[in-house]
Amino acid sequence: GDSVTQMEGPVTLSEEAFLTINCTYTATGYPSLFWYVQYPGEGLQLLLKATKADDKGSNKGFEATYRKETTSFHLEKGSVQVSDSAVYFCALSDSGANSKLTFGKGITLSVRP
Amino acid sequence: DAGVIQSPRHEVTEMGQEVTLRCKPISGHNSLFWYRQTMMRGLELLIYFNNNVPIDDSGMPEDRFSAKMPNASFSTLKIQPSEPRDSAVYFCASSTTSGSDTQYFGPGTRLTVL
Repeated sequence: GDSVTQMEGPVTLSEEAFLTINCTYTATGYPSLFWYVQYPGEGLQLLLKATKADDKGSNKGFEATYRKETTSFHLEKGSVQVSDSAVYFCALSDSGANSKLTFGKGITLSVRP
Repeated sequence: DAGVIQSPRHEVTEMGQEVTLRCKPISGHNSLFWYRQTMMRGLELLIYFNNNVPIDDSGMPEDRFSAKMPNASFSTLKIQPSEPRDSAVYFCASSTTSGSDTQYFGPGTRLTVL
């Protein structure tokens, strides 16, 4: 079945550091890929998405490129802020009609001032 | 739009009691999802509906859990009887029925079973 693997956490960075969070997936068909973010005490919210190979999703300075050849969707940001401290989830949606999401385990990012 | 609405936001109950969690999806969305989040198991999909019909309930942990969607604007997740291991944050999410469409999450219900 479909699966998403995220790098182990937690991750602690200093403000303005470069961020990479790895995500790889296994899926049949042609899934859409997502990054969701969960701030403390809140529900998940979409950060960015890509629906086909070589698409780049971007939002709030974050970027991720859909790499079909390496089945990856790594999240990057050039300069993190304290306000980016949150839990980040990689997910995929199967290519069927039911929009079910398969999530990775999530990774906690803490950014120090 | 108001977003996905969940109630209550917090629930504390005693083992053996019935618990009902409620969700109002975003108007116009025809898919609804119930998730459970714990430190140990992460985010788990419990059940989802398309056009008010349950499509996949394979994530429901056991018969103590049941979910209904009587109309397009309301869903419930019921636990009867509740147990301490059911303590978790329960999220409801909604989307349009498309593989690439975004799921919008509610703020969650934090359930504590004593």
